[in-house]
Amino acid sequence: KQEVTQIPAALSVPEGENLVLNCSFTDSAIYNLQWFRQDPGKGLTSLLLIQSSQREQTSGRLNASLDKSSGRSTLYIAASQPGDSATYLCAGFSGTYKYIFGTGTRLKVLA
Amino acid sequence: NAGVTQTPKFQVLKTGQSMTLQCAQDMNHNSMYWYRQDPGMGLRLIYYSASEGTTDKGEVPNGYNVSRLNKREFSLRLESAAPSQTSVYFCASASTRETQYFGPGTRLLVL
Repeated sequence: KQEVTQIPAALSVPEGENLVLNCSFTDSAIYNLQWFRQDPGKGLTSLLLIQSSQREQTSGRLNASLDKSSGRSTLYIAASQPGDSATYLCAGFSGTYKYIFGTGTRLKVLA
Repeated sequence: NAGVTQTPKFQVLKTGQSMTLQCAQDMNHNSMYWYRQDPGMGLRLIYYSASEGTTDKGEVPNGYNVSRLNKREFSLRLESAAPSQTSVYFCASASTRETQYFGPGTRLLVL
């Protein structure tokens, strides 16, 4: 059974810092891994999708990597801004059409 | 494109009442999902529909029923609401193994 863990649960950093959010999964037979952003009281917004055949994806200041052999994905945020403050969730798709979500990392970027 | 829409946005029920949460997507996606999100528990899958005409149980299906009315619409029904069903409910859709898109959520309070 796929389990997804995100560490740390919460993170507070000064503006401008580069940071890394971690996502670990137990079943290496995943088809893809997706990173989301959730603002308070809002739905989830997709940030990046990494297919199992890919190692990383980039969008602007965001870079996500996937290492299936170690069961890890990381989301790198460059030059963080207060507007990046949100909860970041990862979700692994392991077949049978189901996505398994981590519990998220709450990020606060201080001005 | 409206993406994924959900109605209602908010609802207050008394224990034992029934209600149906509506979800529609205009992206021609095959798969649709219903999740609940509770503090500290992350997103948990209630039911999903891999394609029109099929539905399957997720992690927490007890107390819920679903209907995939057509390719666009996927509804979630609470037959006899309980306080334990107080939560935020999200609908999502995706093409197979591709990016998952979420609706804005329904906040449900059961008294």
